[in-house]
Amino acid sequence: QQQVKQSPQSLIVQKGGIPIINCAYENTAFDYFPWYQQFPGKGPALLIAIRPDVSEKKEGRFTISFNKSAKQFSLHIMDSQPGDSATYFCAARHSWGKLQFGAGTQVVVTP
Amino acid sequence: DTGVSQNPRHKITKRGQNVTFRCDPISEHNRLYWYRQTLGQGPEFLTYFQNEAQLEKSRLLSDRFSAERPKGSFSTLEIQRTEQGDSAMYLCASSSGLPGTGSNQPQHFGDGTRLSIL
Repeated sequence: QQQVKQSPQSLIVQKGGIPIINCAYENTAFDYFPWYQQFPGKGPALLIAIRPDVSEKKEGRFTISFNKSAKQFSLHIMDSQPGDSATYFCAARHSWGKLQFGAGTQVVVTP
Repeated sequence: DTGVSQNPRHKITKRGQNVTFRCDPISEHNRLYWYRQTLGQGPEFLTYFQNEAQLEKSRLLSDRFSAERPKGSFSTLEIQRTEQGDSAMYLCASSSGLPGTGSNQPQHFGDGTRLSIL
């Protein structure tokens, strides 16, 4: 079963735009929600993460918004750049460590 | 800063052959995870070690798969009698965490081993 649902599958924005990626989860026992960025031929790289007792977290141009009651969270990429073009994965962590990933969103930022 | 290292980066083999992959985690990390990623999908959990103990295995890990982490350092993942469906990227991740508790730090991934079955 798909425990973490991610949307959209892909999106294209112009440089300076704000791509927004959404995720929804089912298991209320998840204790940590990271986002990973992956370039072709590379492993996922940790971008930013949030705990469920926090509603928003910002690191540089990346912001996570978290809605515990709705069991949803999202990633915003401010002032997007062509170098941000990559596949982004949301994930949810079981308390003992296993990550449950979404299916990924391919983001393309055009010059 | 030494990250998670995986070898080989690519492996091409014929169906029915055995293959073994190696993962060297970040040196101070006591937790090690294996995931499998197919094209267009997110990584799927395979198995987890805390130090040398294999504590969890996914139902995805059939009897043809075995993983070890001797001495709690590097880990190996072996696939016996490979099948076409085993073609995927095999990812290793590591993190630190207090033994016996759920408290653990973020997982950092290697660049994976891409397995292609002819």
